[in-house]
Amino acid sequence: NAGVTQTPKFRVLKTGQSMTLLCAQDMNHEYMYWYRQDPGMGLRLIHYSVGEGTTAKGEVPDGYNVSRLKKQNFLLGLESAAPSQTSVYFCASRRDGNYGYTFGSGTRLTVV
Amino acid sequence: AQSVSQHNHHVILSEAASLELGCNYSYGGTVNLFWYVQYPGQHLQLLLKYFSGDPLVKGIKGFEAEFIKSKFSFNLRKPSVQWSDTAEYFCAVKSQGGSEKLVFGKGTKLTVNP
Repeated sequence: NAGVTQTPKFRVLKTGQSMTLLCAQDMNHEYMYWYRQDPGMGLRLIHYSVGEGTTAKGEVPDGYNVSRLKKQNFLLGLESAAPSQTSVYFCASRRDGNYGYTFGSGTRLTVV
Repeated sequence: AQSVSQHNHHVILSEAASLELGCNYSYGGTVNLFWYVQYPGQHLQLLLKYFSGDPLVKGIKGFEAEFIKSKFSFNLRKPSVQWSDTAEYFCAVKSQGGSEKLVFGKGTKLTVNP
């Protein structure tokens, strides 16, 4: 049981480049989330999804887009990367009801 | 808007000392409360959670937390810490039945010296 898998684990981008981060969960969870973690800031919600085909904005959505074409996958896209997007990105999922969130192992992104 | 405050940025203890990490939230409705731990270089792992019922919640690795509704607090405690508890601890709050947003505090870094 893999849980929540994020790919890639590390990436360096040049300013203006684009990339997609993939989050995959094998627990049949309805809800999926993308967070970014920055020193002294905790985790901040970028976008989330309450089910296949749905997405919604979180706390810091600017500069990011997401898609949930399949229930098990939640993609986070950066169309034109900026140095301010240097961060560690965590994906999480949860099932419906009173359950905790399961986090992936993170993607460390550096934009130079 | 919901917010979560963790009182201490960095706590340094010796092994066997007792631990209490503060967490206060601002939200007037019913909430779900969580404590997560992040060991160096790793992802967040759930320590414990509160949804309803007994306000004293026991989690993994000997941690517990007490929900005090009147104080909007959910403090994390452990009677005797170990070196292996060195990590960053995050309190998080989600409004029950409302927004999907799980709001995190900024974290408390715990260093336990052997």
